[in-house]
Amino acid sequence: DGGITQSPKYLFRKEGQNVTLSCEQNLNHDAMYWYRQDPGQGLRLIYYSQIVNDFQKGDIAEGYSVSREKKESFPLTVTSAQKNPTAFYLCASSINPHYEQYFGPGTRLTVT
Amino acid sequence: KNEVEQSPQNLTAQEGEFITINCSYSVGISALHWLQQHPGGGIVSLFMLSSGKKKHGRLIATINIQEKHSSLHITASHPRDSAVYICAVINSGGSNYKLTFGKGTLLTVNP
Repeated sequence: DGGITQSPKYLFRKEGQNVTLSCEQNLNHDAMYWYRQDPGQGLRLIYYSQIVNDFQKGDIAEGYSVSREKKESFPLTVTSAQKNPTAFYLCASSINPHYEQYFGPGTRLTVT
Repeated sequence: KNEVEQSPQNLTAQEGEFITINCSYSVGISALHWLQQHPGGGIVSLFMLSSGKKKHGRLIATINIQEKHSSLHITASHPRDSAVYICAVINSGGSNYKLTFGKGTLLTVNP
């Protein structure tokens, strides 16, 4: 089965801790994306990567970091510098940026 | 002002009704997406279109590039259609082709 997996579905952390969210795809897509969703707001782009070993900041990259060492994997680290990290995080991928994006099931992060 | 505006924000319908959700955007685009998000949070891509009209089952999406407007129609609505419907555009300016999203329309279809 091809698709995008994100783990875990729910994640709880204490304030001040870094946390890494996993995103894996077996669709052989070059482009991958991380979005954040907050109640009452549209999805906002955190980081995206069009190819392995390359990534660009999105609209709200502050307090986040990513890596793209493998085509299949695009982990997102939420650092302690992110002022309001509690949110729903969605990963997506596409063949290239011109094509439709396929979304993972999301990770709901709660920081207390 | 958001680059992508959806209306209505909330929509309640009775099973069988014809549903229309609207999306207006203010920038030049290369394509527009309609997405569906169920209560569990997962998002499914329904359509990607850059002109005209697309149909899939009971869903129809149209776009008018000159008017910067798109509509998503659901015929013979069913309670399982209850979800958030999200419009997103790919800005044709620049080189990053990122999506800009509307805030979504919450559709509730009652039996």
